[in-house]
Amino acid sequence: DIQMTQFPSTLSAFVGDRVTITCRASQSVSNWLAWYQQKPGRAPKLLMSMTSSLESGVPSRFSGSGSGTEFTLTISSLQPDDFATYYCQQYHSFSTFGQGTKLEIK
Amino acid sequence: EVQLVESGGGSVQPGTSLRLSCAASGFAFEDHAMEWVRQAPGKGLEWVAGISWDSDTVAYADSVKGRFTVSRDNAKRSLYLRMNSLRDDDTAFYYCARSGGTFLDDAFDIWGQGTVVTVSS
Repeated sequence: DIQMTQFPSTLSAFVGDRVTITCRASQSVSNWLAWYQQKPGRAPKLLMSMTSSLESGVPSRFSGSGSGTEFTLTISSLQPDDFATYYCQQYHSFSTFGQGTKLEIK
Repeated sequence: EVQLVESGGGSVQPGTSLRLSCAASGFAFEDHAMEWVRQAPGKGLEWVAGISWDSDTVAYADSVKGRFTVSRDNAKRSLYLRMNSLRDDDTAFYYCARSGGTFLDDAFDIWGQGTVVTVSS
């Protein structure tokens, strides 16, 4: 089974900051990597798939990069609505989620 | 409106069974693989099971293999999860999610609001 390691587990930042979340796979997942945002009491929301392909309606301040085993999610200028928990997911071999990164307001 | 609505959750004792359902609307259900994902209280997301559009391919997380069975009825636009031999650590919010593709090889682009399963003696 493919394991996904996501870090940091918690990230504190200011509105306007640029932040990066990293996700590492235990073996290559090529570009079969997605990112989700989840707010308290809500279902997860797909932000992007295929490493960097943004879903419709997702702001362009979100971007993804990487391939193989190392991936990043970057938010270029944090907005108040962005404070949430983020998960990576590989779907190269069925599915595995990372442990999540909670993005908090500093 | 594209929508997934889960039902069937509840509070049960260890060792018992439960069947979750997920009703789909607003899209061609038969064109998509479907998935179950759970989230224990205060914890992260855990993929549970998936089923291809034609039910030919099913897959399970190791934690539920042999105890849970995923199925679907395309005519009824419904997804199911039969959970047997429930354990305390199966306690979670269970989400139904739509795969972007027909097989188990795409991201999950639509999610339901979830149903709670509590396993406790």
